[in-house]
Amino acid sequence: NAGVTQTPKFRILKIGQSMTLQCTQDMNHNYMYWYRQDPGMGLKLIYYSVGAGITDKGEVPNGYNVSRSTTEDFPLRLELAAPSQTSVYFCASSYRVAEAEQFFGPGTRLTVL
Amino acid sequence: GENVEQHPSTLSVQEGDSAVIKCTYSDSASNYFPWYKQELGKRPQLIIDIRSNVGEKKDQRIAVTLNKTAKHFSLHITETQPEDSAVYFCAASGADYKLSFGAGTTVTVRA
Repeated sequence: NAGVTQTPKFRILKIGQSMTLQCTQDMNHNYMYWYRQDPGMGLKLIYYSVGAGITDKGEVPNGYNVSRSTTEDFPLRLELAAPSQTSVYFCASSYRVAEAEQFFGPGTRLTVL
Repeated sequence: GENVEQHPSTLSVQEGDSAVIKCTYSDSASNYFPWYKQELGKRPQLIIDIRSNVGEKKDQRIAVTLNKTAKHFSLHITETQPEDSAVYFCAASGADYKLSFGAGTTVTVRA
């Protein structure tokens, strides 16, 4: 199993551009998450999904959108990129929402200039 | 929502010594407390977790303790080795079932 995969690994955007961060898991997990990691700030939840067709906001959702059309995929969309969105983005999945290990992808390092 | 505070932010220990990281949480309904280790440039990985009906859990050189009354939990690493150098994150799963992470502790093991 590949586990959780993310693309791209690195990306530089200009202010105002848009992009989609891809996330795929092959563990048949219902629950998927998007986090951002800023230096010294830990992991902040952006959006999460409890299954195909169901998504909800996390702690820092502004400036982002998600969709979940399949169990495997959970893309994160950035519209009108801003310097404040410069961060490392991690996708994760788990087989249940609470009291379960979250498996993280390798991350996407995004810089907005 | 849940608020998790983690101390210290950095920790330097001599190889072979013990390391202790402490976290406090705010939501008394939280019942799941995992610890993740993140090596430089890598993804976070679960190293140990504890549930609210257990006071202590050990796995080789790693142990976690939980005090629900005081709302704090701690990670203990004994006989530290160079490969223990990493950033460690505590987390708590609150009443909304979402994980809230602490800000992380950078542990450096000196040879």
